[in-house]
Amino acid sequence: NAGVTQTPKFQVLKTGQSMTLQCAQDMNHNSMYWYRQDPGMGLRLIYYSASEGTTDKGEVPNGYNVSRLNKREFSLRLESAAPSQTSVYFCASRRDREKAGANVLTFGAGSRLTVL
Amino acid sequence: QKEVEQNSGPLSVPEGAIASLNCTYSDRGSQSFFWYRQYSGKSPELIMFIYSNGDKEDGRFTAQLNKASQYVSLLIRDSQPSDSATYLCAQRDTGNQFYFGTGTSLTVIP
Repeated sequence: NAGVTQTPKFQVLKTGQSMTLQCAQDMNHNSMYWYRQDPGMGLRLIYYSASEGTTDKGEVPNGYNVSRLNKREFSLRLESAAPSQTSVYFCASRRDREKAGANVLTFGAGSRLTVL
Repeated sequence: QKEVEQNSGPLSVPEGAIASLNCTYSDRGSQSFFWYRQYSGKSPELIMFIYSNGDKEDGRFTAQLNKASQYVSLLIRDSQPSDSATYLCAQRDTGNQFYFGTGTSLTVIP
């Protein structure tokens, strides 16, 4: 049981290049999230997917696209990378529980992206 | 804009003392609140969640929620050096989106 798996763990891009961050979970969770974490800024939501085939914008969606390929996988794409997108990216999935308060997030290990 | 505010610290406590971490939030509609611990270079891991007013205890950790004051706190009793980390407060809104504070850095001094 791997939980939430992100690839790659590290990536260096040049300005204008594109890339896709991959995320997969094996916990049969419906909801998945992409966050970015910058020093002093905390975790900020980029995109959210409540179920296969649905996606919603979060606080900072500009410059990103997402795909919920199936229930397990949720990818984040940078079409034309900019230095401002240098960050650590975390994918998370949410356990759906009958008791609403128990809907906790489980995070992947993170992907550290540097855009030169 | 839903905001979660934390004192960024750093907070230093001696080993064995009680560490008190505080968080305020702006969205009165939020239903649940979470404390995550994040070691340097690692991903956040859940410590506790709370959704009812009052206290919730789990081992050395106690979460406290006061919805009227829009305030949530985390107490760590008998602090250990292994508790040294950044603690993130988060709220979940009615749309199941989670908003995080910027985190409080805690150092437990042996």
